[in-house]
Amino acid sequence: DAGVTQSPTHLIKTRGQQVTLRCSPKSGHDTVSWYQQALGQGPQFIFQYYEEEERQRGNFPDRFSGHQFPNYSSELNVNALLLGDSALYLCASRRQGPQYFGPGTRLTVL
Amino acid sequence: KQEVTQIPAALSVPEGENLVLNCSFTDSAIYNLQWFRQDPGKGLTSLLLIQSSQREQTSGRLNASLDKSSGRSTLYIAASQPGDSATYLCAVSAGGYSTLTFGKGTMLLVSP
Repeated sequence: DAGVTQSPTHLIKTRGQQVTLRCSPKSGHDTVSWYQQALGQGPQFIFQYYEEEERQRGNFPDRFSGHQFPNYSSELNVNALLLGDSALYLCASRRQGPQYFGPGTRLTVL
Repeated sequence: KQEVTQIPAALSVPEGENLVLNCSFTDSAIYNLQWFRQDPGKGLTSLLLIQSSQREQTSGRLNASLDKSSGRSTLYIAASQPGDSATYLCAVSAGGYSTLTFGKGTMLLVSP
């Protein structure tokens, strides 16, 4: 079992660009959540996907959007990147139990 | 709005010491509480999960307690080792969707 996987590992973008991050959940898991972790901070909840629908959303602007596919994998899209979007983006999956976290994608916005 | 606070923000101890990390939360209506470990630039590793009906959980040298009524949890690490050096995060879940609210973490350094 590969656990939760995320791609890419690292990404560098410039302000105003758009980015897509990907997450494959742990085998058997059907719910995917995304978190943003700025340097020196705890992770902040962005949104959660279940049955291909956004089920819950944190306090993030509409520039942050997502998608879940029939195989339960998920994408996080961020439009019009700002310097403040630089962070570690974590994906977590679950199925009626605790969440399992992936290794994260480090996004740097220049 | 749930807020989670972790004290201290950083801690440096010599190898072999027993230590306690503290976590407090403002809304006692939680579903469960988790302690995570995070190595620099890495993802989160779950250490212990305490359901709201439980008082404590133990795993090896780690023991976590939960006092829901007072909004507090502690993580006790016995006989600390240099390999324990990491950031420890506390997170609470408020409901069935299990979205987590995190503290900022305690950065632990254990010196040989």
